[in-house]
Amino acid sequence: SQKIEQNSEALNIQEGKTATLTCNYTNYSPAYLQWYRQDPGRGPVFLLLIRENEKEKRKERLKVTFDTTLKQSLFHITASQPADSATYLCALVKGGFKTIFGAGTRLFVKA
Amino acid sequence: EAQVTQNPRYLITVTGKKLTVTCSQNMNHEYMSWYRQDPGLGLRQIYYSMNVEVTDKGDVPEGYKVSRKEKRNFPLILESPSPNQTSLYFCASSPFSRSRYEQYFGPGTRLTVT
Repeated sequence: SQKIEQNSEALNIQEGKTATLTCNYTNYSPAYLQWYRQDPGRGPVFLLLIRENEKEKRKERLKVTFDTTLKQSLFHITASQPADSATYLCALVKGGFKTIFGAGTRLFVKA
Repeated sequence: EAQVTQNPRYLITVTGKKLTVTCSQNMNHEYMSWYRQDPGLGLRQIYYSMNVEVTDKGDVPEGYKVSRKEKRNFPLILESPSPNQTSLYFCASSPFSRSRYEQYFGPGTRLTVT
């Protein structure tokens, strides 16, 4: 069956450092991969999308890589700030909008 | 303001009492979807719709029904709720475009079935 794994343990980093979150998947060939941010008690908010034929995407302090051979995506937040503290979700989408989400990784950025 | 709205935001009900959670979007999006979120399991897709009168099952459709009679609305129906449907539910919408696949989520509906 299709499976997505994200680091279940929380990631604690110091302000100003780069946070790197991992998303691994198996038995799946997604058309594209998305990253979302979710704050407690709120709905997820879209951050970045990367397609299967793209290696890297950037948006301000955010960077996503996508390796379809390794079946892995890495999500980087550079110059992290306490306001970046949240849960980050990766989602794989195949054709037709059938979507599978990972369970998310909780990020804590200390001042 | 562009948004996805859900009602109610909180609901406590009893086993077997039919309920409907409404979802509406004002962005003229073709695609809409329902998810449930449970601790440790993440978001799981229940049903999705690619346009009016077009719906399809996600990963966990058992015990749920949906309908898409209008583009802006996508209600989730629980005909006979059971305690294992206690969860946080999110509705989402997305434009049907080659360049834009991001999903916009509603604020969530916390459902408790006793």
